[in-house]
Amino acid sequence: DVKVTQSSRYLVKRTGEKVFLECVQDMDHENMFWYRQDPGLGLRLIYFSYDVKMKEKGDIPEGYSVSREKKERFSLILESASTNQTSMYLCASSDRDQPQHFGDGTRLSIL
Amino acid sequence: DQQVKQNSPSLSVQEGRISILNCDYTNSMFDYFLWYKKYPAEGPTFLISISSIKDKNEDGRFTVFLNKSAKHLSLHIVPSQPGDSAVYFCAASANTGNQFYFGTGTSLTVIP
Repeated sequence: DVKVTQSSRYLVKRTGEKVFLECVQDMDHENMFWYRQDPGLGLRLIYFSYDVKMKEKGDIPEGYSVSREKKERFSLILESASTNQTSMYLCASSDRDQPQHFGDGTRLSIL
Repeated sequence: DQQVKQNSPSLSVQEGRISILNCDYTNSMFDYFLWYKKYPAEGPTFLISISSIKDKNEDGRFTVFLNKSAKHLSLHIVPSQPGDSAVYFCAASANTGNQFYFGTGTSLTVIP
């Protein structure tokens, strides 16, 4: 079974802090994704990556950056956290053209 | 602009009856569609998919129907069980890559 592991289930940070969300997958998938889920808005893609050191902007990249130094690890970075970034963050991985496998999410609160 | 829409935020169905969840899309380039199921405090899990060369795909109690001319797909669950109570997301992608566009979700409650 594919395992996508997000480092924290719950996280509380303060406005202006730099926040790191980590995601690791164990199936050697090429593709990795970061989404945020908000009520009434569904899942919105922040960034994705097709290969190591490669990244592409999704639909809502503003205020975020990513890092993929190793194939199995994809990090989401909030450069200067703001209250409107309070959300559920979901990481996913997949092979090309295959369904994505999701982690259990990180519920992030910015105070 | 939302390219994949689920217009019903919630649906309640009696146990044993059919659940029908609907999804509409606007981009005619979409050719691969999926349904995911999400329980609270868990990530979405893949349920069933369909490519645009088909109009129906069945897996046990779950069947997905695709109407390309109407840009509409639906998920049928028969018979519905209380364990099916979850939020269901539809998603679509085009052949240009692996980016999926998700709908806003429909919360299904199956009443025992």
